Amino acid sequence: GAVVSQHPSRVICKSGTSVKIECRSLDFQATTMFWYRQFPKQSLMLMATSNEGSKATYEQGVEKDKFLINHASLTLSTLTVTSAHPEDSSFYICSATSGGLRYNEQFFGPGTRLTVL
Amino acid sequence: AQSVTQLGSHVSVSEGALVLLRCNYSSSVPPYLFWYVQYPNQGLQLLLKYTSAATLVKGINGFEAEFKKSETSFHLTKPSAHMSDAAEYFCAVSDTGGGNKLTFGTGTQLKVEL
Repeated sequence: GAVVSQHPSRVICKSGTSVKIECRSLDFQATTMFWYRQFPKQSLMLMATSNEGSKATYEQGVEKDKFLINHASLTLSTLTVTSAHPEDSSFYICSATSGGLRYNEQFFGPGTRLTVL
Repeated sequence: AQSVTQLGSHVSVSEGALVLLRCNYSSSVPPYLFWYVQYPNQGLQLLLKYTSAATLVKGINGFEAEFKKSETSFHLTKPSAHMSDAAEYFCAVSDTGGGNKLTFGTGTQLKVEL
């Protein structure tokens, strides 16, 4: 099946710094990418949907100035957590789809564990 | 609005026994339903999906699920558990298909014992 990678797999940063997470579709062109956040023992919560070449659509309650999403190409989307704080520590997962919203599948990356000290 | 409830955050079965993971959904429109599996430190992998065709859906690794509208359920089953089935399982719902917004349940950790 299609492969989605994320980098880095783990990151530890100091409070106040910014962290960038990359999501790449390795063998297909992703017209849409999704960013999820997963707290321990909780569900995946959709943060935002990004389409190549356009602004991301954020879910209610997600600060778009804090979580900057860029989908500059059909194989790469980035999530930047700006001025990170300990409460931003979480597991961030991206997924990608190649279009055809009715039946197409989302392919998930392995996730990035962010720890903010 | 749509939602998914997974009953039982942890399920333990013996190797060779029946696996039953429960999922109930709420949706205002005919839903698309999915089961995903997540192994440690890996991404989510699609096990199977219901897209309004056959109500009994067969997936990978011997898993299947039955869509029951009257019970608003989409339980995941496997006749005989294998040690390699130990993982986290997520049920998800979408009102517009798998390539669009998914709402996930809280997950069920399956443990398989000898």
